[in-house]
Amino acid sequence: EAGVAQSPRYKIIEKRQSVAFWCNPISGHATLYWYQQILGQGPKLLIQFQNNGVVDDSQLPKDRFSAERLKGVDSTLKIQPAKLEDSAVYLCASYALGTEAFFGQGTRLTVV
Amino acid sequence: SQQGEEDPQALSIQEGENATMNCSYKTSINNLQWYRQNSGRGLVHLILIRSNEREKHSGRLRVTLDTSKKSSSLLITASRAADTASYFCATDAGGSNYKLTFGKGTLLTVNP
Repeated sequence: EAGVAQSPRYKIIEKRQSVAFWCNPISGHATLYWYQQILGQGPKLLIQFQNNGVVDDSQLPKDRFSAERLKGVDSTLKIQPAKLEDSAVYLCASYALGTEAFFGQGTRLTVV
Repeated sequence: SQQGEEDPQALSIQEGENATMNCSYKTSINNLQWYRQNSGRGLVHLILIRSNEREKHSGRLRVTLDTSKKSSSLLITASRAADTASYFCATDAGGSNYKLTFGKGTLLTVNP
């Protein structure tokens, strides 16, 4: 079974620039999550999708972060404009009822 | 917001020793899960324990859950250098949305 795919693995941008991350979940998984993990901390949920609908985005900084999951499969997370404090690893995970959540390798973002 | 709090924040042991990590949480849960994260990598699911279970085993892993104290422990027996990683507990509060909330993690170092 193929895992959760994320790209890119690493990204370095200057503050105020924009960046986008891509996630391809495990086939058939209806639930998709984006987490932000700052160095030394646990993952923090940014947004949760059920198919192509948002079920929880309470911790997403909506003035600069946006996410979409067109057709209920792939998802993109965008930051515009980026701030220094956005430097973190962005993790995508997917879940299907009766299984556990599977995580991708993450995208390490450095904002300079 | 972080639901779980792992203790200790860091643990250093010798190969062959046992490692015990604890997790406390604040609200009622449907299940509790433990994940491992190697440096710079994604999260790997280790074990899930449901709220009506008290103990679970998987290989060298033993997890206990005390819902009256809102706490869980992860025991790794006969540790190996390859067990060096960060360990996170994650709670699912139940309901229609499967939402995992992570703690800050315990950094385990197993010295050869």
